[in-house]
Parts: sequence; structure tokens; C-alpha cells
Amino acid sequence: GAGVSQSPSNKVTEKGKDVELRCDPISGHTALYWYRQSLGQGLEFLIYFQGNSAPDKSGLPSDRFSAERTGGSVSTLTIQRTQQEDSAVYLCASSLEGRGANYGYTFGSGTRLTVV
Amino acid sequence: KQEVTQIPAALSVPEGENLVLNCSFTDSAIYNLQWFRQDPGKGLTSLLLIQSSQREQTSGRLNASLDKSSGRSTLYIAASQPGDSATYLCAVSWRRDDKIIFGKGTRLHILP
Repeated sequence: GAGVSQSPSNKVTEKGKDVELRCDPISGHTALYWYRQSLGQGLEFLIYFQGNSAPDKSGLPSDRFSAERTGGSVSTLTIQRTQQEDSAVYLCASSLEGRGANYGYTFGSGTRLTVV
Repeated sequence: KQEVTQIPAALSVPEGENLVLNCSFTDSAIYNLQWFRQDPGKGLTSLLLIQSSQREQTSGRLNASLDKSSGRSTLYIAASQPGDSATYLCAVSWRRDDKIIFGKGTRLHILP
């Protein structure tokens, strides 16, 4: 696609429910990143994919968070048993890697998650 | 520890002025640095990408410079306009296959 697409754009869920956030990267972009931005805070790294594998999961806040990527394309971030502190904007980015260079990162518009 | 710092946290200037936003980073062995803008409630828009081998990049009224030895980058905005009001974020990557680390941003307000 022309840009990074994230869905849903907004999600309100009850505490304790599971949620799935989807990211559709730019076609051909092998690297995919998930970040979280809480109100008034900076961007917090969650996880990075190269193809379908995740060499860096160091940012996932707890074992309630998981992510997968299939076909080197779409990624899903799953939060189980949501808590109020999970409320944030979840941003996805993708980048094109090639010939030893990275060509910069393109971000989606994010999913605003509100846990009530 | 690799960190990115942006100063000032907020800035208000009258329309038409030239201004400079600062970004500093620990560990000068960076791979690349990217400037983004974020409008309230929106995602991030890429402005300029500087590879480690480059010293500056320009796009329209924007110019970003990189001084790896001092661990600094500046974003210069010429002839500021009210539409430039946004949060500007600096992001650094230290390896090709690695996450980018963001500064906390500078909230810019251009006064009409």
C-alpha cells in the first residue's frame, strides 16, 4: 500500500478483555516496529520484526503483550487481560532495508487504545 | 546507555522567525538520525533522514545538520509559519537492524 495502515484507529475496551491491534506495512518493507506513546510521554519501543522473526522483544512491558507477523507483511499486537495503564496510542512503523542501508521509517496513524 | 535528548521541551516564537531545534545523543557511533513532526492526535510524519556519512539534509524551509563527534543534530526552520506548529521528534538508530530511540520532542508554537 501507499502507507502504513493501522486498525482500528480507536479502540475502547473493558479492563480484563483481550485486544488485537493490526499493522499493515508498506509493501516490500521487511522491517516492522511497534511503539507505544502514553499521554504526555515519549515513544516507547515495544518490539521489532525483520521478516517474520522478532530479534528484539526487549520492550514488551509484560507477558500480557505479544506480537506476531505473518508472510513478512501484516503484524498483530495482542494485549491480554488489558489494564488501565495499557491505555495509550500504539504506533507501527516499517522500513526498507537493502544494500546495507536503511531508508528511514514510515509510521502509521496509530491505534488509540482506551481501557475503561 | 543510548539516549536521545531534545532541548527545549517547548518553544513559542512569532511567525516569520527562523528557529533551531536541538537534539543530542549519547554514543556518537550512530547509523542514522531522523526528524519527525507530530500533530496533536496524529501519527508521525517523516521530515528528514540523515545517514551517518552525511552532514546535512534539506527539504524546503527545513535543514537538518548532523555532528556525530559532538553527538548533536539541529533542525533549522526558516521563515516559520503557524502551520509549523507541532511537536518535533528526533530519532536515532545505532545499528541497521535495530530499533530507533526517540527524544521526548520539542513542542513548537508559532504565534500568528
